[in-house]
Amino acid sequence: DSGVTQTPKHLITATGQRVTLRCSPRSGDLSVYWYQQSLDQGLQFLIQYYNGEERAKGNILERFSAQQFPDLHSELNLSSLELGDSALYFCASSVMGGAGEQFFGPGTRLTVL
Amino acid sequence: QQQVKQSPQSLIVQKGGISIINCAYENTAFDYFPWYQQFPGKGPALLIAIRPDVSEKKEGRFTISFNKSAKQFSLHIMDSQPGDSATYFCAASTQGGSEKLVFGKGTKLTVNP
Repeated sequence: DSGVTQTPKHLITATGQRVTLRCSPRSGDLSVYWYQQSLDQGLQFLIQYYNGEERAKGNILERFSAQQFPDLHSELNLSSLELGDSALYFCASSVMGGAGEQFFGPGTRLTVL
Repeated sequence: QQQVKQSPQSLIVQKGGISIINCAYENTAFDYFPWYQQFPGKGPALLIAIRPDVSEKKEGRFTISFNKSAKQFSLHIMDSQPGDSATYFCAASTQGGSEKLVFGKGTKLTVNP
């Protein structure tokens, strides 16, 4: 158990809908990363937050957004969902500026029908 | 643009054999190189990591070899066991920056009993 929690574990929805994925980092970790894992693209970095502020953006679509709250949990919002958004979404957390280790949560499997 | 190239895509070894997975990177600013292990239905778990100031790091049966001039690094799994059957990802990041991970495409390792 990495100490990172993600909910829900599975999510099935329809095209055009909006969903919210939630992540709670390890105790003491200020940095949260979101990654998308798909068969064709592999593990891709989406976005990073550090202590409530956006720190870096990767291959994140404009239909996707995220935020980190004062209690350091983070939410990834996916809107106007398309079939191609079906993937595993992982959250990771780290101390940042430390050993560099990122600890991954168990993921949310999103299926868009 | 794939910044970290991983090979092979899949690997089958016999129990007790040596598994070798290779990665090459392009960005010379990378200074942290972890390997992650992922079992089906689970999030990636940090296995071992290396920084470019050393050429080799060993932890139990797992060894990373690093060649800075060639911009290559590899994972060696000695005395491979069926329980090692998983997908392995190499990654790279820049410490002191966003520290986001850039992943290779992954290698599916199967260890036959």
